[in-house]
Amino acid sequence: AQSVAQPEDQVNVAEGNPLTVKCTYSVSGNPYLFWYVQYPNRGLQFLLKYITGDNLVKGSYGFEAEFNKSQTSFHLKKPSALVSDSALYFCAVRDNNFNKFYFGSGTKLNVKP
Amino acid sequence: DGGITQSPKYLFRKEGQNVTLSCEQNLNHDAMYWYRQDPGQGLRLIYYSQIVNDFQKGDIAEGYSVSREKKESFPLTVTSAQKNPTAFYLCASSTPPGRGNTGELFFGEGSRLTVL
Repeated sequence: AQSVAQPEDQVNVAEGNPLTVKCTYSVSGNPYLFWYVQYPNRGLQFLLKYITGDNLVKGSYGFEAEFNKSQTSFHLKKPSALVSDSALYFCAVRDNNFNKFYFGSGTKLNVKP
Repeated sequence: DGGITQSPKYLFRKEGQNVTLSCEQNLNHDAMYWYRQDPGQGLRLIYYSQIVNDFQKGDIAEGYSVSREKKESFPLTVTSAQKNPTAFYLCASSTPPGRGNTGELFFGEGSRLTVL
């Protein structure tokens, strides 16, 4: 069965410091992996995806993610956090057999000035 | 601009009333989805539709109904049978990866339903 785990409910980081939001997945076949961000009372916005190719994927707003097949992980990273990055982040995997998506439980990122 | 439009953004309902949430997309996507989000929780799939006139139950379909009469539209009805309907509802659409598409989900801005 497909599944996604985000082991941290919350991540706290100081502005200017690097940030990492963790995600591990379980999927049969080649994984299609995604990161989304959600601000309060808004829909989810697409950040980046891994389909194939380079393990380091670059996305919107300076975010990047590293695909690690052996560890079945897809951690979200940013070299220097901004206060405006504070939001809820979701990792997702696509099951292409059934055209469904599986989401992690979300990680709240708090960036302090 | 292409996108997904959900309405209304805020809705109040008395117990025992059915309400319908609208979702329209102009992205020409075949697949559409409804998710429910509760405070501090992730997204739970209510219903999804891969093609017009067809839809499947998700993980929490009880107390909800949908229709897919047009490709662009996928309305969700929250019935009086739904015991705890107060939540944030998100509609999304997608197209399979390939032919220039990368297969991500596109989301609307959500509808917040409050039962009084």
